[in-house]
Amino acid sequence: EAGVAQSPRYKIIEKRQSVAFWCNPISGHATLYWYQQILGQGPKLLIQFQNNGVVDDSQLPKDRFSAERLKGVDSTLKIQPAKLEDSAVYLCASSLEPTGALTGELFFGEGSRLTVL
Amino acid sequence: KQEVTQIPAALSVPEGENLVLNCSFTDSAIYNLQWFRQDPGKGLTSLLLIQSSQREQTSGRLNASLDKSSGRSTLYIAASQPGDSATYLCAVIIGDYKLSFGAGTTVTVRA
Repeated sequence: EAGVAQSPRYKIIEKRQSVAFWCNPISGHATLYWYQQILGQGPKLLIQFQNNGVVDDSQLPKDRFSAERLKGVDSTLKIQPAKLEDSAVYLCASSLEPTGALTGELFFGEGSRLTVL
Repeated sequence: KQEVTQIPAALSVPEGENLVLNCSFTDSAIYNLQWFRQDPGKGLTSLLLIQSSQREQTSGRLNASLDKSSGRSTLYIAASQPGDSATYLCAVIIGDYKLSFGAGTTVTVRA
């Protein structure tokens, strides 16, 4: 079974530029998460989707970050304009149901590493 | 707000030594606690999940204990190997089914 796919794996941009990350979850997984992991810190949830609806985006900096999951399958996370402090690994995860974390059925992709210069 | 702390941030041990990794959390009202492994440039892989009603969970050389009342969990890795070198993160599940992560302990096992 294919895992969670993310691209690009690495991206280097100048501050104030824009960037987009793509995630394709495990087939059939209705719940999709985007996490931000700054170097030396644990992952922080940015946004959670259930199918194509947003469940939680309370920690998403909405002035510069946006995310969508239009057809309820793959998702894109966009940053515009990027700041130096956005340098991080952006992890996508998926689960069959919103309660996937309760049963350990939450699967992570390998992440997209962003460096903002 | 739930705070999850992992100390030390890093440790280095010779091959064969047992590893003891600590995790503490401030709010004991958790559903479960999960230990993850993260290799450099990779995502997170789940190692062990302990339900709040359990005291410990074992998988091969790994054993994790949970003491909810004191807000602590410990991950033991027996007879460490160089392949165990990675960052280990603990995370707790709170009322809204969200994972709250610690910053991790980076382990180096020297051959």
